Amino acid sequence: DAKTTQPPSMDCAEGRAANLPCNHSTISGNEYVYWYRQIHSQGPQYIIHGLKNNETNEMASLIITEDRKSSTLILPHATLRDTAVYYCIVRPYNTDKLIFGTGTRLQVFP
Amino acid sequence: GAGVSQSPSNKVTEKGKDVELRCDPISGHTALYWYRQSLGQGLEFLIYFQGNSAPDKSGLPSDRFSAERTGGSVSTLTIQRTQQEDSAVYLCASSSPGAGGGELFFGEGSRLTVL
Repeated sequence: DAKTTQPPSMDCAEGRAANLPCNHSTISGNEYVYWYRQIHSQGPQYIIHGLKNNETNEMASLIITEDRKSSTLILPHATLRDTAVYYCIVRPYNTDKLIFGTGTRLQVFP
Repeated sequence: GAGVSQSPSNKVTEKGKDVELRCDPISGHTALYWYRQSLGQGLEFLIYFQGNSAPDKSGLPSDRFSAERTGGSVSTLTIQRTQQEDSAVYLCASSSPGAGGGELFFGEGSRLTVL
């Protein structure tokens, strides 16, 4: 399975866009990129996923580079409630197993 | 209920005792997963069920750990002869085949403390 690399921590001012990077340089053509987040003391929560194209939903946008070796999760207007650990995960299409790394701890400050 | 339900939410046990942790997935979800999270650490995959069968048990840390699922619904994770290093939050998740896979819905976890 392709490995992911994320910065251990990031800060973001409330109301600003939070851009969380993820490197997955060994990703193969049949592997999806998933993002989850875990707010303190809660179970992880699905955010978004994509294969090749950029994706957007009510929570976030996912930008995947053309070579698919990296991606960025964008929270357009971060709030204090977005403070959490964000996990970038690469999943082959033929498996339902998700392997979580250590993620990025995002701190949104007032 | 609407979400994944886990019980007990908290369990304190003595070293050497057996414990059972239960997971009720979302109705209709065929896939069920167990993860554990030690204090300050990331999620560690334990086992995954598709229906009642477990195609991937690769994450079970030792033969003291076992899991079963019956009726394609409820799952039980059993830890025999608990050790202090088993202390962690045990998280269960389920997913629907119609969701394209990968969209897991997690419960709130069972916090296990082994004294």
